[in-house]
Amino acid sequence: AQKVTQAQTEISVVEKEDVTLDCVYETRDTTYYLFWYKQPPSGELVFLIRRNSFDEQNEISGRYSWNFQKSTSSFNFTITASQVVDSAVYFCALSNTGGFKNIFGAGTRLFVKA
Amino acid sequence: GAGVSQSPRYKVAKRGQDVALRCDPISGHVSLFWYQQALGQGPEFLTYFQNEAQLDKSGLPSDRFFAERPEGSVSTLKIQRTQQEDSAVYLCASSISGGNYEQYFGPGTRLTVT
Repeated sequence: AQKVTQAQTEISVVEKEDVTLDCVYETRDTTYYLFWYKQPPSGELVFLIRRNSFDEQNEISGRYSWNFQKSTSSFNFTITASQVVDSAVYFCALSNTGGFKNIFGAGTRLFVKA
Repeated sequence: GAGVSQSPRYKVAKRGQDVALRCDPISGHVSLFWYQQALGQGPEFLTYFQNEAQLDKSGLPSDRFFAERPEGSVSTLKIQRTQQEDSAVYLCASSISGGNYEQYFGPGTRLTVT
């Protein structure tokens, strides 16, 4: 069975702190894709990153970075020097066998306080 | 507009009424997805279209739910004889091709069944 687990329900940090959001996935596929999406208070999910299972290189985009480790089935997301505008719910997702759909985790709600 | 649009944004239905939710995907996107998002949860897959073909409807909760995309662009999700448990946000997303690519989400339709 395929599954995505985001064990952190809510995280609260003070502005400028670094924060890591955890994502653990389960799949028997050898080829799969992982995603992170952001859902701000306005409600619309916004795509952040896509990573395929053969590319374990970490990625950095501005204050965002992602750490993909197949050995632990994890795809963690770090925000460096957090800002109030980072406050949102963040979802990790996994493409299913056949690539017809994404399986989402329950999300982590991040509060960044000024 | 360049994004995915959905209408209506909010819908209140009395139990037993039929509702129709519309999705306009990004022009040229072959794949279209419907998800249901309950409060505090991640999106749950409902159904998937590749052009006009409905390739996966395994997530539709009952035979009261029906989706179509007759010309391979606009899609409609219809719920017959609505029940209170149908209350949720219904999200539409489109992608270039399949679930292995990033999905672009619409703002959702919040359905409340009274």
